Amino acid sequence: QVQLQESGPGLVKPSETLSLTCSVSGGSINNYYWSWIRQPPGKGLEWIGYIYYSGSTNYKSSLRSRVTISVDTSKNQFSLKLRSVTAADTAVYYCARIRTVASDFDYWGQGTLVTVSS
Amino acid sequence: SYVLTQPPSVSVAPGKTARITCGGNKIGSKSVHWYQQKPGQAPVVVTNYDSDRPSGIPQRFSGSNSGDTATLTISRVEAGDEADYYCQVWDTSSDHQGVFGGGTKLTVL
Repeated sequence: QVQLQESGPGLVKPSETLSLTCSVSGGSINNYYWSWIRQPPGKGLEWIGYIYYSGSTNYKSSLRSRVTISVDTSKNQFSLKLRSVTAADTAVYYCARIRTVASDFDYWGQGTLVTVSS
Repeated sequence: SYVLTQPPSVSVAPGKTARITCGGNKIGSKSVHWYQQKPGQAPVVVTNYDSDRPSGIPQRFSGSNSGDTATLTISRVEAGDEADYYCQVWDTSSDHQGVFGGGTKLTVL
């Protein structure tokens, strides 16, 4: 059974960079797409972007200037960096797997709350 | 950018049928995935590719998609179905963008 686990700081200061890692266990990171999704408290889901195991990426248009997603196949991990954060970036951040570019998010991490505050 | 519109809330009595809609321009030409999210938990996919059901999802959950509206139907609703439900598509019109609907809170009366 594939399992995903997010890790990283729960508190980030405004204007700094949010950094999270998703560790994949129970299966290989190879041959799949891996995504980040966030959910502000009490609000809906927002797709951030995805990375293919080979390293190709695609980001939400409105976040593209601030987001970088990378992958480390040797560690079975992928990561999110979101620069110049503000309070509006406060959210639960989920990592998830996609089988193909048309498929659903079939496996999700439990989510991690990141608060942007000084 | 592509927009998916869901009603904020739907209420249904136990044992009845709940229908949750997801509106979008020509959504019938896209594959729609539906997720159930209970408080404090990650979303779980309940139907994918419009009307397929992943392993382990009860047959009470079904999906349809045509024209400008996709629908998630939950038959014989149980108290445990109370949750937020989100529709999701991939918009390939300009770039390959993931899009979620705003979510619908299903209340079991």
